[in-house]
Amino acid sequence: DAGVTQSPTHLIKTRGQQVTLRCSPKSGHDTVSWYQQALGQGPQFIFQYYEEEERQRGNFPDRFSGHQFPNYSSELNVNALLLGDSALYLCASSPLDYTGEQYFGPGTRLTVT
Amino acid sequence: AQSVTQLGSHVSVSEGALVLLRCNYSSSVPPYLFWYVQYPNQGLQLLLKYTTGATLVKGINGFEAEFKKSETSFHLTKPSAHMSDAAEYFCAVSGISGGGADGLTFGKGTHLIIQP
Repeated sequence: DAGVTQSPTHLIKTRGQQVTLRCSPKSGHDTVSWYQQALGQGPQFIFQYYEEEERQRGNFPDRFSGHQFPNYSSELNVNALLLGDSALYLCASSPLDYTGEQYFGPGTRLTVT
Repeated sequence: AQSVTQLGSHVSVSEGALVLLRCNYSSSVPPYLFWYVQYPNQGLQLLLKYTTGATLVKGINGFEAEFKKSETSFHLTKPSAHMSDAAEYFCAVSGISGGGADGLTFGKGTHLIIQP
């Protein structure tokens, strides 16, 4: 059973560009959450998608947007990249019968130069 | 609103010694509490969770944690440290609202160092 997968693994972008990160949830999971983890910090919640709608959002600007597809996979889009957007972006999925835990993917390392 | 405080950004113990990583939380709703471990250049792996019921919860790799509501704490322990336990540990809190799961709020992490 494949766990949460994310692509790409690493990405280098220039300030001002736009980026799209992708996530496939664990089989049987319908809820996807995205987190940003800056170097040496704990992950910070960006937003969560359920039934193709943004269900909950953390304290991130509108430059961060997302999408969930009918197969529950998800994309995170970041516009007008800033140097401070350099981080590890983690995707997590959780099942319909939510028992509390979220399962994390390996992350996408984004570097903005 | 929820928050997590992890006391000690670095904790060093000798191999075979007790591991104690501290976590205090605040939550406006009944909390769900978690400990995750992160090895270098990897994602997060769930060690254990508290949702409801028994306040002492056991997890993988010999770790356990006790939910103490009166102290708003959820400290992680392991009786005997192993070299393979060296990693970053994150405490997180969540809740249920609007009929669904909330996003996780994480602490800043504790780097566990195991001395041979």
